[in-house]
Amino acid sequence: KAGVTQTPRYLIKTRGQQVTLSCSPISGHRSVSWYQQTPGQGLQFLFEYFSETQRNKGNFPGRFSGRQFSNSRSEMNVSTLELGDSALYLCASSTDWAEQYFGPGTRLTVT
Amino acid sequence: GDSVTQMEGPVTLSEEAFLTINCTYTATGYPSLFWYVQYPGEGLQLLLKATKADDKGSNKGFEATYRKETTSFHLEKGSVQVSDSAVYFCALISPETSGSRLTFGEGTQLTVNP
Repeated sequence: KAGVTQTPRYLIKTRGQQVTLSCSPISGHRSVSWYQQTPGQGLQFLFEYFSETQRNKGNFPGRFSGRQFSNSRSEMNVSTLELGDSALYLCASSTDWAEQYFGPGTRLTVT
Repeated sequence: GDSVTQMEGPVTLSEEAFLTINCTYTATGYPSLFWYVQYPGEGLQLLLKATKADDKGSNKGFEATYRKETTSFHLEKGSVQVSDSAVYFCALISPETSGSRLTFGEGTQLTVNP
């Protein structure tokens, strides 16, 4: 069974721009969660989608948004990028309320 | 709120040494506990899990026991290898308070020298 895939793997953007990251979950998994990883803040939860509905949300500003499609693929969008948004963005998929399996991440650098 | 505390790192060991990475947690209800490992340039891999008190999770020689009385989930391995060098994260899910959100510890960098 294929694992969680994330695209692109690397991104370089300029302050003020927006970015969209994509995540394809493991086949059959309906829950997709997003996490931000930085050296200073560690791993922080962004949001979770289940069956196209946002089910849980972390403490991030409204510039961070997401959505999930009917095939469970998910996208995450960050608008008006700031330097502090530079991070590794990790997507994880799971069946409901079960252990989460992570993708390789998208490394976003904001200059 | 929920929280996870890991021992301060980094940890440096010689090959075949015994490994312990301490993890304690604070959570309401009955959380499930996990250890994840992250190799350089990669995402997180689930190493082991335990879903109720006194459960022992094990995988690839690593073990951890869910201790509710001490709110701990320490990771152990009897004989580490160079290939075990990575960052290890303790984490919990507590559906009663935070749904499906994983709460992570700070991570412990392990380096194993030959």
